[in-house]
Amino acid sequence: DSGVTQTPKHLITATGQRVTLRCSPRSGDLSVYWYQQSLDQGLQFLIQYYNGEERAKGNILERFSAQQFPDLHSELNLSSLELGDSALYFCASSARLAGETQYFGPGTRLLVL
Amino acid sequence: GEDVEQSLFLSVREGDSSVINCTYTDSSSTYLYWYKQEPGAGLQLLTYIFSNMDMKQDQRLTVLLNKKDKHLSLRIADTQTGDSAIYFCAEPYKAAGNKLTFGGGTRVLVKP
Repeated sequence: DSGVTQTPKHLITATGQRVTLRCSPRSGDLSVYWYQQSLDQGLQFLIQYYNGEERAKGNILERFSAQQFPDLHSELNLSSLELGDSALYFCASSARLAGETQYFGPGTRLLVL
Repeated sequence: GEDVEQSLFLSVREGDSSVINCTYTDSSSTYLYWYKQEPGAGLQLLTYIFSNMDMKQDQRLTVLLNKKDKHLSLRIADTQTGDSAIYFCAEPYKAAGNKLTFGGGTRVLVKP
């Protein structure tokens, strides 16, 4: 158990819908990362937050957004869902901004029908 | 640019050693990581190595780092059926908040 929690574990929805994925980092970790794992793209970095502020952005679609709240939990919002958004979404946390090992949550498996 | 490459598949007999290879591109990385993903599960941090080390041993795991060739390897001694999984090497990219760039993963199949 890494100490990072993600909910829900599974999500099935339809195209065009919007979903919210939630992540709670390890106790004391300030930095949260979101990654997407799909069959065709592999593991891709989406976005990073540190102590409530966005710090780095990867290949994140404009339909996707994230935020980190004062209690340090983070949410990833996916809207106007398409079939190709079906993937495993991971959250990871680390203690500081950079140079720290990232610990991953169990992931949320999203299926868009 | 950031690019991490791994071989796709490795088949090994139980009790033998497994060696998984990885090449990376960012020579400024402070650490390099190995993660393990079992079927239907998340990413488990397996081990990591500081960039100023050539080798790190952790029980059955040995990590070798060749900075000149930007080559990283993971050796699993006495491979067990429970070692069957996908193994990812990952490199942090300092210019982008330390985000991890992953290789495509090596699927290791351990045969009894």
